Amino acid sequence: EADIYQTPRYLVIGTGKKITLECSQTMGHDKMYWYQQDPGMELHLIHYSYGVNSTEKGDLSSESTVSRIRTEHFPLTLESARPSHTSQYLCASSRGTANTEAFFGQGTRLTVV
Amino acid sequence: GENVEQHPSTLSVQEGDSAVIKCTYSDSASNYFPWYKQELGKGPQLIIDIRSNVGEKKDQRIAVTLNKTAKHFSLHITETQPEDSAVYFCAASLYKLSFGAGTTVTVRA
Repeated sequence: EADIYQTPRYLVIGTGKKITLECSQTMGHDKMYWYQQDPGMELHLIHYSYGVNSTEKGDLSSESTVSRIRTEHFPLTLESARPSHTSQYLCASSRGTANTEAFFGQGTRLTVV
Repeated sequence: GENVEQHPSTLSVQEGDSAVIKCTYSDSASNYFPWYKQELGKGPQLIIDIRSNVGEKKDQRIAVTLNKTAKHFSLHITETQPEDSAVYFCAASLYKLSFGAGTTVTVRA
């Protein structure tokens, strides 16, 4: 059973609001990731981190930002939400050694109205 | 960067039949190839993985094959059951995972 948690599960928010999606893992994993999942289910990497104070942009450009102040916590922030940000956001983590299993949270479904 | 293509995008099979999903990758340096299953309302979950030094791996009803020369790998599910209905993703990785677009599998009872 994966010990990675995302909150909230669902969020409906108005345009222009600032939002933070939370992601926490209790497995001590160094690597963490944020994926955006479109309606066709395709997964797009938008941010990743190799450890504390490390953040990198992913393959898909995103207006969101992330921070990694603690190993277990990798929040994603949108300063001003827009309808185009409506999507499913998935957080994942993996050990810092050679390629290993990534564990996913259940996701946050964000709707911006 | 790595580009992973996955086919088919949808697959409908009769219960008890086999299902095969195929993926190709572009970066010959990729050395880790996991398969994930995503059920409705949940995040993807690893079902099987294979590394570049292995050609085939089996776990009960699921198996994965890897052809490094051709840069393609496949997932095989035998004796499909209704609970196998889900979206399946292949991925390839050297330093970070690149996912295929997903295959929606429906098992008809």
